[in-house]
Parts: sequence; structure tokens; C-alpha cells
Amino acid sequence: AQTVTQSQPEMSVQEAETVTLSCTYDTSESNYYLFWYKQPPSRQMILVIRQEAYKQQNATENRFSVNFQKAAKSFSLKISDSQLGDTAMYFCAFTYSGAGSYQLTFGKGTKLSVIP
Amino acid sequence: GAGVSQSPSNKVTEKGKDVELRCDPISGHTALYWYRQSLGQGLEFLIYFQGNSAPDKSGLPSDRFSAERTGGSVSTLTIQRTQQEDSAVYLCASTALLATYNEQFFGPGTRLTVL
Repeated sequence: AQTVTQSQPEMSVQEAETVTLSCTYDTSESNYYLFWYKQPPSRQMILVIRQEAYKQQNATENRFSVNFQKAAKSFSLKISDSQLGDTAMYFCAFTYSGAGSYQLTFGKGTKLSVIP
Repeated sequence: GAGVSQSPSNKVTEKGKDVELRCDPISGHTALYWYRQSLGQGLEFLIYFQGNSAPDKSGLPSDRFSAERTGGSVSTLTIQRTQQEDSAVYLCASTALLATYNEQFFGPGTRLTVL
């Protein structure tokens, strides 16, 4: 079974500063995908960034980047130049090709507050 | 274009009643998922539909839960004899054909409250 662990239930960061959210996962699969989703109070889950396990290069999307450590099964999200609109729940998620359905397994989430 | 829509946005029901939650996926998306987001359990997979294939029901928590997808488009999640532990946000997601992983697009969810 696949598990995803987010050890930081809540975090806060000053506007314009940098923050890192942690995520670890456990799997015996070799072909898998990792994601960070953002869920603002509107409840709409929004994909922030994705990483394919076979890619060694860390994914980046504008102010968002990941530190993917495959051997350590770690997948952290760095948000640079934090903005008030980044305030949300952030979920780390995992899926793999073996199941066929590509269903997502989520961590419990980290509530991020950006302080003006 | 239009995203995934869900209705109702909020639903309050009494224990023991049946409820139906609706999901309209993005047009042309052949795969559809239901997830449940509850305080105690976090986000959990419930059921998956892909085209005309038999659905993957492995995440349904009990036989009180069922879902169908008509015409390969709209899906309805039905909860019979609701219990207080069914209170949660029910999220629907859709994606294009799964030759490989494709991004799942989520709807805004239905918040179910069972009194």
C-alpha cells in the first residue's frame, strides 16, 4: 500500500519570504508520480506542481519548486516570494501506473498562512 | 471552457435519509473519480469510472454508497441511510484518456452535513 505523510499540520510565513512544506511517501512502485495540490477556502483543488519519478530534475513552476529525493522518498515544496493568495491547504499526493486507475493518495495536508 | 461542476454545493440531511450528489465532468473527459474529504480521514478515493469499463469501486466505504455514470458523462454518487460519519466534502475529478497519467481536474465539491 502507498502512504503519504505530511508532518506539518500548520505553517505560517511572512509575505515575500520563502517557505518549505515537507512530504514523505512510501511505495514499492518504480513508476509513479508526485503532486502538490492547493486547496483555498473555495474548496477547489488546484494542481500546483507535478514530478515524474523517473525524472531526476526537480520540477519548477514559477515561484513553486520541489526537492525530490527519490532514495529518501521525500518530496518537499518550496514557495518563494510568498503572496497572500498562497494562503491555503496544501496536499501532497501520489499515484502510480500499476493500479490502472491512477487514483490519487493524499497526505493529511498542511495549512499555510501567509502573513502580511 | 467549463470546468468540473458539482451540485448541490451544500447539502444538509437528516440521519437515515438518502442523498444524491451530482458531478458534471469536463466535456470529453473519459475518466471520472469521486473522493471524500473528511476531518478524520483526510482525502480518500471512493470510485473510478473509465469509459465503458467496469468501475473501480475499491474505495467505497460501505454498501450504502453507490455511484453510476450515465452516457459516459454525468455521474451521481448515492448514499443510502446516511450516518453522521458520512458528513464530509465529496469531490469529483475528471481527466482525459489514461494512456499515461493525465492531470485530474477537480470540481468545487459538495459539503454534506448529516444531522
